[in-house]
Amino acid sequence: EAQVTQNPRYLITVTGKKLTVTCSQNMNHEYMSWYRQDPGLGLRQIYYSMNVEVTDKGDVPEGYKVSRKEKRNFPLILESPSPNQTSLYFCASSLGFGDEKLLFGSGTQLSVL
Amino acid sequence: GEDVEQSLFLSVREGDSSVINCTYTDSSSTYLYWYKQEPGAGLQLLTYIFSNMDMKQDQRLTVLLNKKDKHLSLRIADTQTGDSAIYFCAETFSGGYNKLIFGAGTRLAVHP
Repeated sequence: EAQVTQNPRYLITVTGKKLTVTCSQNMNHEYMSWYRQDPGLGLRQIYYSMNVEVTDKGDVPEGYKVSRKEKRNFPLILESPSPNQTSLYFCASSLGFGDEKLLFGSGTQLSVL
Repeated sequence: GEDVEQSLFLSVREGDSSVINCTYTDSSSTYLYWYKQEPGAGLQLLTYIFSNMDMKQDQRLTVLLNKKDKHLSLRIADTQTGDSAIYFCAETFSGGYNKLIFGAGTRLAVHP
């Protein structure tokens, strides 16, 4: 089954403790992206990747890092989380940009205390 | 700058039609999308329309695009309780950031 898998589904952590949210897709998609969803703001792009070893900043990249060492994986790294990074995070992938089938993972609810 | 606006809440009676409206700013958008988010779930691509189309129909869903007014709407015929969800309008952004611009989402509540 074609899918985008994120882990963990829920995460509670404390300020300053490094964490990684994993994202994996099994469709050989070139394009992957991370969004955060906040009430009243919709989804905002954090980072995206057009292909292996090619990543770029989205609208709200501050406080986040990503890597794309393999085509299927696109982890989101918070080196020193802060409470304003409490949010619902979504990973998404598509065959290429402009392809209408942008598929989303189920989301990761992160709370930073 | 780019912006997508939607009303935040819509309440309809089961069996009626729902119309969710959206306005966008990037006139060069290639695709415009409607995504559905059910409680505790990710975003599901509901339907999309290419920018050179005026209307697209897919079973109970009708998408209307008014390019002059930069207005997009989603009509759901015979709305059911299973249609209760948050609906996001999104446009492709052509400014080199390779991203979708999302509205804040419209929460649709269907009551008996």
